[in-house]
Amino acid sequence: QVQLVESGGGVVQPGRSLRLSCAASGFSFRTYGMHWVRQAPGKGLEWVAVMWFDGRSTDYADSVKGRFIISRDNSKNTLYLQMNSLRAADTAVYYCARDLNTANPSTFDYWGQGTLVTVSS
Amino acid sequence: DIQMTQSPSSLSASVGDSVTITCQASQDIKNYLNWYQQKPGKAPKLLIYDVSNLETGVPSRFSGGGSRIHFTLTIFSLQPEDIATYYCQQYENLPLTFGGGTKVEIK
Repeated sequence: QVQLVESGGGVVQPGRSLRLSCAASGFSFRTYGMHWVRQAPGKGLEWVAVMWFDGRSTDYADSVKGRFIISRDNSKNTLYLQMNSLRAADTAVYYCARDLNTANPSTFDYWGQGTLVTVSS
Repeated sequence: DIQMTQSPSSLSASVGDSVTITCQASQDIKNYLNWYQQKPGKAPKLLIYDVSNLETGVPSRFSGGGSRIHFTLTIFSLQPEDIATYYCQQYENLPLTFGGGTKVEIK
């Protein structure tokens, strides 16, 4: 069965960096686009970034553009999110999610359990 | 960016009632609209994709409709396990955007 397991969250000071990982299993990882979606405490869902299956196409929310980098290693079935210059506003549970559409970013059909990132001094 | 506006932000209904959540897009999104269910403390789960297609395993009491700008999610015969927050999401354009959520509670 499809499994997505995030790791790497924790408490970090403002301005510092953190890298999240998402280990995928149960499907052909290299053929799917993958996303990061976050949820601040008590708030709604916010799409963060997408990397397409071949690793060549990426896009970001304006709120993280220039600070976050999404990447993937298809040989390790793993998605990453490098988060730099972290701010208090980045505090959230970060979910990785698979896209069911093989052509364009569209629909999150499987989600991980999430990893909490807290940015605080 | 396309703004998605959901209403109401919360509702309370009795077991067996039918409830409807609306989602309005700030521009025409054709039929590029999904619904997710998030139970407390859990990750979101895909409920309905492409406006009206139920994801595998989703009970038939859930129904989606609408087009272009106005969309609805209806739960027929509300059950205790339907307690959750529901989100709409558009994929006409990047950035992918969600509605603010509708929290459904049982009276």
